Amino acid sequence: GAVVSQHPSRVICKSGTSVKIECRSLDFQATTMFWYRQFPKKSLMLMATSNEGSKATYEQGVEKDKFLINHASLTLSTLTVTSAHPEDSSFYICSARDPGQGASGYTFGSGTRLTVV
Amino acid sequence: AQSVTQPDIHITVSEGASLELRCNYSYGATPYLFWYVQSPGQGLQLLLKYFSGDTLVQGIKGFEAEFKRSQSSFNLRKPSVHWSDAAEYFCAVGAYGGSQGNLIFGKGTKLSVKP
Repeated sequence: GAVVSQHPSRVICKSGTSVKIECRSLDFQATTMFWYRQFPKKSLMLMATSNEGSKATYEQGVEKDKFLINHASLTLSTLTVTSAHPEDSSFYICSARDPGQGASGYTFGSGTRLTVV
Repeated sequence: AQSVTQPDIHITVSEGASLELRCNYSYGATPYLFWYVQSPGQGLQLLLKYFSGDTLVQGIKGFEAEFKRSQSSFNLRKPSVHWSDAAEYFCAVGAYGGSQGNLIFGKGTKLSVKP
């Protein structure tokens, strides 16, 4: 089945530094990938939709200059948290839709636990 | 606007007992419905999904869910819970043909299993 690889699984960084998270579709091409953020004891909130070859579409309230998304190829999308602050600490999960599975073919990465100290 | 409601924040059941997790959705068109399970610190694993056909859907790990359009519900069931089922469960609706095609999640139900 469709597999999405997300890396790293855990990262600790200092306040003010930037962190890049990668999301790869391993056995299918994903023109669209989604980035979610999960707060403790909360649901997953969509941050942005990453479109291959074009600018990402951000949800209301998500700072596009802080959460940079690049979808340079059909198998890779990256989320860069710039100038990270402790309040950015969270669990970030990407997902990709496999066109071969139609409208229901969503596959999630295993998530990245970001801790900003 | 689309939404998903999981009324139960936390449920505790005894091992071997039956389980039902509730999910109600709000969406004008035909919904694509999903149940995911998340273990602590882990990503999401798809249990089952519904997008057409038989309204009773079988999933992995012995789970099933029934789509009831009249009740706008998609409740998850398991006849006999195992201790390894303890996790967070998320119901989600996918809106293909909507603005983004992303998933909208409920707030989750934490399942605890008593020995």
